[in-house]
Amino acid sequence: SAVISQKPSRDICQRGTSLTIQCQVDSQVTMMFWYRQQPGQSLTLIATANQGSEATYESGFVIDKFPISRPNLTFSTLTVSNMSPEDSSIYLCSVDGGRGGTDTQYFGPGTRLTVL
Amino acid sequence: GQQLNQSPQSMFIQEGEDVSMNCTSSSIFNTWLWYKQEPGEGPVLLIALYKAGELTSNGRLTAQFGITRKDSFLNISASIPSDVGIYFCAGQYSGGGADGLTFGKGTHLIIQP
Repeated sequence: SAVISQKPSRDICQRGTSLTIQCQVDSQVTMMFWYRQQPGQSLTLIATANQGSEATYESGFVIDKFPISRPNLTFSTLTVSNMSPEDSSIYLCSVDGGRGGTDTQYFGPGTRLTVL
Repeated sequence: GQQLNQSPQSMFIQEGEDVSMNCTSSSIFNTWLWYKQEPGEGPVLLIALYKAGELTSNGRLTAQFGITRKDSFLNISASIPSDVGIYFCAGQYSGGGADGLTFGKGTHLIIQP
């Protein structure tokens, strides 16, 4: 499986500011995904990051709030914009792998965000 | 949208006992995945299931892809202390393109000494 790293691992931010989270993979992957895990909850898909095109967002998530970049096949960023305490969550990236690409996903360690 | 019902929410068991958890869906999936998450970590893939009726083992773990494609179960035999964590089922329906995963709410496994 791919080795996935995220930066920062955690951060405490002030309301109204923005934070950019980086996801780096040690091999080229077709698809990268961003998820949110609110405290004590399950994971919810935010968007699919496609290399060379705009990200595809799930219902309830918009590009203005969560802009995503995917400049190449090993890297993606997620920005949490104009943060409020409700954005306090773990943000995880995942990548496809195996069986031709998209049938399995491996996760990074997550970025723990606290908004004051 | 698709929803996954995972049960039980939590399990308090004695070391050495067997564990069983399951997920059901309101619609079909092409892939079922089982993950384990420990505090401060991202989910780690345990077992992947790709075919209806498929039964797959990984050490003490066994999982099955339901024949209707709407359910899956995970069994852990002879539990040990390091099995403690939150177990998530996840389903994927790839309708010709790459889709993200839909997750269950998790089963919190606690092993009592």
